[in-house]
Amino acid sequence: DTGVSQNPRHKITKRGQNVTFRCDPISEHNRLYWYRQTLGQGPEFLTYFQNEAQLEKSRLLSDRFSAERPKGSFSTLEIQRTEQGDSAMYLCASSSGLAGGQETQYFGPGTRLLVL
Amino acid sequence: AQTVTQSQPEMSVQEAETVTLSCTYDTSESNYYLFWYKQPPSRQMILVIRQEAYKQQNATENRFSVNFQKAAKSFSLKISDSQLGDTAMYFCAFMKHLSGANNLFFGTGTRLTVIP
Repeated sequence: DTGVSQNPRHKITKRGQNVTFRCDPISEHNRLYWYRQTLGQGPEFLTYFQNEAQLEKSRLLSDRFSAERPKGSFSTLEIQRTEQGDSAMYLCASSSGLAGGQETQYFGPGTRLLVL
Repeated sequence: AQTVTQSQPEMSVQEAETVTLSCTYDTSESNYYLFWYKQPPSRQMILVIRQEAYKQQNATENRFSVNFQKAAKSFSLKISDSQLGDTAMYFCAFMKHLSGANNLFFGTGTRLTVIP
């Protein structure tokens, strides 16, 4: 168990460019979550996968955002045509999918995005 | 909709002393889960303690305990014998029971500094 890893840790991009982040969950975890954390705020839910199926998306996830988990292992989050308002920390979490609040979500270190 | 409020943006405590962090929430759900997560500087977020709303007994984990007041929708975290390693952002979070996604709703956090 090496924990949840995310790459890159930092990304600086210009407005209008596309960016892609990767999350590698704990190997036996079937649930994977993406959250966004802006300065001074707590994390906000973006989307969730059970294995390879994306089962829920927040209203925060605009059409410019797309997430995949092609083989039920790692996941990518892509932002197209980035805007300055996309600047945030993007957190990934994984869990073993126990019922309700019995599960523990393990968080990665996050990818900090700055859009200039 | 669920909201989580942490009214103390920053707090400090002397090493070995006790500190209490406040959290209130609003929900129409009758069954749910509450959590405290810790986010140390430049490190990933980890679960500190969880409480199931249908359990009257307050959860404890070593030096960490909660005061859960369901009627008042209050969920405070008490840290006893504070240690330097307790310095971190602390987030209160809510999860609906049987929500499918099991996504977390976070407060805005309390930055705790333990002073030597």
